Amino acid sequence: NAGVTQTPKFQVLKTGQSMTLQCAQDMNHEYMSWYRQDPGMGLRLIHYSVGAGITDQGEVPNGYNVSRSTTEDFPLRLLSAAPSQTSVYFCASRRDPYNEQFFGPGTRLTVL
Amino acid sequence: AQSVSQHNHHVILSEAASLELGCNYSYGGTVNLFWYVQYPGQHLQLLLKYFSGDPLVKGIKGFEAEFIKSKFSFNLRKPSVQWSDTAEYFCAGCNQFYFGTGTSLTVIP
Repeated sequence: NAGVTQTPKFQVLKTGQSMTLQCAQDMNHEYMSWYRQDPGMGLRLIHYSVGAGITDQGEVPNGYNVSRSTTEDFPLRLLSAAPSQTSVYFCASRRDPYNEQFFGPGTRLTVL
Repeated sequence: AQSVSQHNHHVILSEAASLELGCNYSYGGTVNLFWYVQYPGQHLQLLLKYFSGDPLVKGIKGFEAEFIKSKFSFNLRKPSVQWSDTAEYFCAGCNQFYFGTGTSLTVIP
């Protein structure tokens, strides 16, 4: 059981570039979420999904897109990177809203 | 306005001291609250959670939290901290839609 995996671990982008952060889980969880962690701001929800084909916006969705074509995968796309998107990104999954979330190791993204 | 708030941003304690970290929520409806911990270099992991029933919740590693509805609070406690408790602690609520800003705990041996 790998749990929640994220790739890459580190990434440096230039302003305006696009990229996709990958997230996969092998626990057959319906719920998956993307958070960003910034100093003094805690974790903020970007997008979430309650099952394959169903996604919704979180607290800070602007500049990001998601899709959920399978139960296992939940990629996060940065459409046109901006320095304000420099952050650590965490993917998480859980069985339902009331249960423990399992977090991935994070992706540290720097946008120059 | 954020629905979950933590007021202690950085706490420094000596080993064996007692710990209490504050968490307040400001949303209505069904209340569910969580405490997560992030040890240096590790994933976030669940300490404990509250949904209903006994307002005193016991979690892993000797942590507990008390849900006080009248105060909209869910404070995390531990009677005697250890150096290994050095970590960042996050409160979460509203189906984990909101997380607090986190409290960095440093325990001095």
